[in-house]
Amino acid sequence: AQSVSQHNHHVILSEAASLELGCNYSYGGTVNLFWYVQYPGQHLQLLLKYFSGDPLVKGIKGFEAEFIKSKFSFNLRKPSVQWSDTAEYFCAVNAQNYGQNFVFGPGTRLSVLP
Amino acid sequence: EAGVAQSPRYKIIEKRQSVAFWCNPISGHATLYWYQQILGQGPKLLIQFQNNGVVDDSQLPKDRFSAERLKGVDSTLKIQPAKLEDSAVYLCASSSAGGAHTEAFFGQGTRLTVV
Repeated sequence: AQSVSQHNHHVILSEAASLELGCNYSYGGTVNLFWYVQYPGQHLQLLLKYFSGDPLVKGIKGFEAEFIKSKFSFNLRKPSVQWSDTAEYFCAVNAQNYGQNFVFGPGTRLSVLP
Repeated sequence: EAGVAQSPRYKIIEKRQSVAFWCNPISGHATLYWYQQILGQGPKLLIQFQNNGVVDDSQLPKDRFSAERLKGVDSTLKIQPAKLEDSAVYLCASSSAGGAHTEAFFGQGTRLTVV
């Protein structure tokens, strides 16, 4: 069975600091990888996704993530965070087979101090 | 493009009562998911439909939870009877079928409080 772990439960940063959120998954096959964000009071929104090709993917709002297959990792990065990035971030995986579901990590709460 | 619609947004019930949630996925999306998100945790899959057939319901507590997707569009999730530990946000998501490269689109969720 697939599982996803996220390294940090809660991260607190000041504005302009750099961000890296860790994500590791356990699954032996080919996977699709996602980062979703949940702003306070809002629904889950896709931040970025990796299906194949260039392992460095760019998403919305200046976020990027790097897929390292040998490490089963898909870490999320942003060079300079803003107060508006305060949210919950979820890493998710699904197996690259038709009809597979999305398995989510426990989430990392990011608080950005103005 | 209209998003995934869910109702109600909030529901408070007493334990042992029953409750139902409704979801309307994005038009044309064949796959529909119900997730349970307990406070402080990531979403956990309850059931996955492909059109009106169940693909995965291995984590659905079938003694109290049921779900259906008649006609392969709208879906309802029911809890009967509810327990205190069912307090959570119930998320509906949909994705298009037909290949490996797909993402899930989520609704606003229904926040259930069981007292």
